[in-house]
Amino acid sequence: ETGVTQTPRHLVMGMTNKKSLKCEQHLGHNAMYWYKQSAKKPLELMFVYNFKEQTENNSVPSRFSPECPNSSHLFLHLHTLQPEDSALYLCASSQTQGREQYFGPGTRLTVT
Amino acid sequence: AQSVSQHNHHVILSEAASLELGCNYSYGGTVNLFWYVQYPGQHLQLLLKYFSGDPLVKGIKGFEAEFIKSKFSFNLRKPSVQWSDTAEYFCAVNGENAGNMLTFGGGTRLMVKP
Repeated sequence: ETGVTQTPRHLVMGMTNKKSLKCEQHLGHNAMYWYKQSAKKPLELMFVYNFKEQTENNSVPSRFSPECPNSSHLFLHLHTLQPEDSALYLCASSQTQGREQYFGPGTRLTVT
Repeated sequence: AQSVSQHNHHVILSEAASLELGCNYSYGGTVNLFWYVQYPGQHLQLLLKYFSGDPLVKGIKGFEAEFIKSKFSFNLRKPSVQWSDTAEYFCAVNGENAGNMLTFGGGTRLMVKP
């Protein structure tokens, strides 16, 4: 596979569930990102990892927990989410700081 | 802090019409600028980018954008749109001291009528 892949593509979960989103980039990039895309809102940056180290946490609630075991993989662990957390969660990667980012197809999350 | 404003939320054009989508940013220093496109049901794709040099940047599918520093603008243009250009377009900025932070505008939904 090439580019940035995300699994699952769709996820429905209850407010008491625990689930994880997975992102993998096949581009040899060093930085990875999580974004939230909600209807009628600009794309919101959630977390940034650079060389596996978290460099940004954009005031994201603790019910979202990222994990970056290596430069190619990024996870977003979810627990006790709220209905307003329903959105499209996008993963992206870039070669270095400030360079263009390449996006995955996203995970459409619905919290019931 | 950096911010991006896209004034046109929805644009409807007929095929062969010319397109210009506005993008203004707020940041005091050197910036990298991007336009992304999201076709229906597809993921965000890079359309074009500006880092330095010629302020008129050409991208894929006949799109271009002009960086006007004095106006803090990076408008997207295409001389003649096609039905297949129907998509949502996002402008984004990365300030030189903003690290890996890319700030997106709210997006412009373009509908091209055949």
